[in-house]
Amino acid sequence: DQQVKQNSPSLSVQEGRISILNCDYTNSMFDYFLWYKKYPAEGPTFLISISSIKDKNEDGRFTVFLNKSAKHLSLHIVPSQPGDSAVYFCAAWGSNFGNEKLTFGTGTRLTIIP
Amino acid sequence: GAGVSQTPSNKVTEKGKYVELRCDPISGHTALYWYRQSLGQGPEFLIYFQGTGAADDSGLPNDRFFAVRPEGSVSTLKIQRTERGDSAVYLCASSLNGYSNQPQHFGDGTRLSIL
Repeated sequence: DQQVKQNSPSLSVQEGRISILNCDYTNSMFDYFLWYKKYPAEGPTFLISISSIKDKNEDGRFTVFLNKSAKHLSLHIVPSQPGDSAVYFCAAWGSNFGNEKLTFGTGTRLTIIP
Repeated sequence: GAGVSQTPSNKVTEKGKYVELRCDPISGHTALYWYRQSLGQGPEFLIYFQGTGAADDSGLPNDRFFAVRPEGSVSTLKIQRTERGDSAVYLCASSLNGYSNQPQHFGDGTRLSIL
């Protein structure tokens, strides 16, 4: 039962354009959402987060949008740069069959084309 | 270093053997987490420590898996009678206090291969 879903396994975007990565969740107990970025052979690195009481959070080139009614969030990267090429994981914090924990999606591989 | 450190970075062993994976969290972080990541998947929660105690071990797949954090700092994940299905990258993360608004900081993981 995948409670956090990233339905696009991969995405290619031209350098300078906007990258939009999507994430859907099914558990209404999730109340905090995070995006992580992962390079090969490295651990995930925290990128940006959003609380369920907000609908937008911005940090430099990165903006996360949350639509609670649709149980959907997205990460916008603008402008996209070659160094943004990585796997991006959406993660949700909240009660998952009991104790609170972080539940990850399966990731989206973003490739920025120079 | 200032980050989460995991050793070894790679471990290859035969089916049935015992393995120990070590995690050295960021100094001062009371919360420590273990995850397992299989190919094409996101990290999957295994166990959470708050200080020395395992606050949530609901993600451990079976009783062959065990973890300790005796002094509230370094943690060791132990796997007995390893099976080929245990092959994965094992990730450790720490956070300041375990609250949701404190991001978890990950190590680079231990790639475990069971032959």
